[in-house]
Amino acid sequence: DVKVTQSSRYLVKRTGEKVFLECVQDMDHENMFWYRQDPGLGLRLIYFSYDVKMKEKGDIPEGYSVSREKKERFSLILESASTNQTSMYLCASSLVEDNSPLHFGNGTRLTVT
Amino acid sequence: AQSVTQLGSHVSVSEGALVLLRCNYSSSVPPYLFWYVQYPNQGLQLLLKYTSAATLVKGINGFEAEFKKSETSFHLTKPSAHMSDAAEYFCAVINAGGTSYGKLTFGQGTILTVHP
Repeated sequence: DVKVTQSSRYLVKRTGEKVFLECVQDMDHENMFWYRQDPGLGLRLIYFSYDVKMKEKGDIPEGYSVSREKKERFSLILESASTNQTSMYLCASSLVEDNSPLHFGNGTRLTVT
Repeated sequence: AQSVTQLGSHVSVSEGALVLLRCNYSSSVPPYLFWYVQYPNQGLQLLLKYTSAATLVKGINGFEAEFKKSETSFHLTKPSAHMSDAAEYFCAVINAGGTSYGKLTFGQGTILTVHP
């Protein structure tokens, strides 16, 4: 079965810390995504990657960066965490075709204090 | 550009009643459309998708959706709600032009509550 694994379910970090969120998929998917989910706002795309070492900004990239050194792994980095980055973060992957559905991890709930 | 509007952030139904969750989209080219469900403390999972074949699409757990181009709608229905259907539902769209890199645009979500 398809599996997207996010390394942490819950994280609590302090303002100014550098935070790493890790995501691994076992489906050999080309595309990987990081979304942020906030109540009433749905899912908003932070960054995506369509190949190893390739990355593109999504709709809300400010304050974030990403890394994709291997096909199966896509990391989201908060360079200096702020309280307004408290949120649920969802990783997803898909095949390259636009009609291929996204497969999601279970999410990481990040709290920045 | 593509966008999705889900009408109603909360919908409440009685067990056994019809479920209707509304989704309207905007797309400059023919779209692909998806419905996802999110149960508490879980990620999203695919309910169904429209990819320009049949306009009436059947998904898992008895849900279906109908693509209506003239109304730019893709509403989700289920004839008889079950308690286990309580969850948040997301509609999503992508332009079917082959240049979107799989980037879906999601609606704001609709929380479905089912009363006994």
